[in-house]
Amino acid sequence: DGGITQSPKYLFRKEGQNVTLSCEQNLNHDAMYWYRQDPGQGLRLIYYSQIVNDFQKGDIAEGYSVSREKKESFPLTVTSAQKNPTAFYLCASSIVAGGSIEAFFGQGTRLTVV
Amino acid sequence: GQQVMQIPQYQHVQEGEDFTTYCNSSTTLSNIQWYKQRPGGHPVFLIQLVKSGEVKKQKRLTFQFGEAKKNSSLHITATQTTDVGTYFCAGSGRGSTLGRLYFGRGTQLTVWP
Repeated sequence: DGGITQSPKYLFRKEGQNVTLSCEQNLNHDAMYWYRQDPGQGLRLIYYSQIVNDFQKGDIAEGYSVSREKKESFPLTVTSAQKNPTAFYLCASSIVAGGSIEAFFGQGTRLTVV
Repeated sequence: GQQVMQIPQYQHVQEGEDFTTYCNSSTTLSNIQWYKQRPGGHPVFLIQLVKSGEVKKQKRLTFQFGEAKKNSSLHITATQTTDVGTYFCAGSGRGSTLGRLYFGRGTQLTVWP
C-alpha cells in the first residue's frame, strides 16, 4: 500500500518534555511538509523539505525542529520551547514537477500536553 | 509574504441549497488547489487549476480560477449531507518558494438534512 504514515495517532506528554512525531512515505516524493492545525486556524506550515538534507522554516517554526536524513522520513520534534504544543499535526508529501504540487496527507497526530 | 484569504469561515445550509467558498491571493499564483477535510479526518486533494480563467467540474462541484490567477472559487450545487467538511484552497509559491503551498483558513460547511 502506497501512502504516508504518521504515528502515533494520539500522543500525550507532560509539559517540558520534548516529543518526536513520526512521518514516513513510500510514494517516492521529494517534498515533505509539517502543518499544525488548530480550530478555526486552518493549516499553518511549520517546516518543509524539498530534498534530502535540506529544509526550510515555515510560518510557525519556533519551538519545533526537523530532520531529513532519508527521502522517506521527515520526523518533527516538538521541543519544550514550544509554548502551546497541544494541536493536531499533519504531515504531507508531494511531487514538485512543473509547478504542480498535489499534496498527500497522513492521518495526523493529535498531541496533548498536560 | 504571500497570503491566501478564504471566505466565509463557516457556512450552514439546508440540504439541496447551493454553497460557494471564495479564495483570494495577495500575489499571482502558479496554480491553485482545493482540498476537503471531513470531520476528524485529514485533507484530501480534490483538484488543481493551472490556467487563467480555467473552469473544471466534478459532478456537483464547479471550480474556477480567476483571469488574473489571484482568486478562485468552489461552488457546490444542491448540497448533500455527504458534502459536510472543511474546504481548503491552497496556492503554490513561485520561484524560490515553488515547493510550498499557501493554505487558506478553510470554509467549514454544515449541511442540515
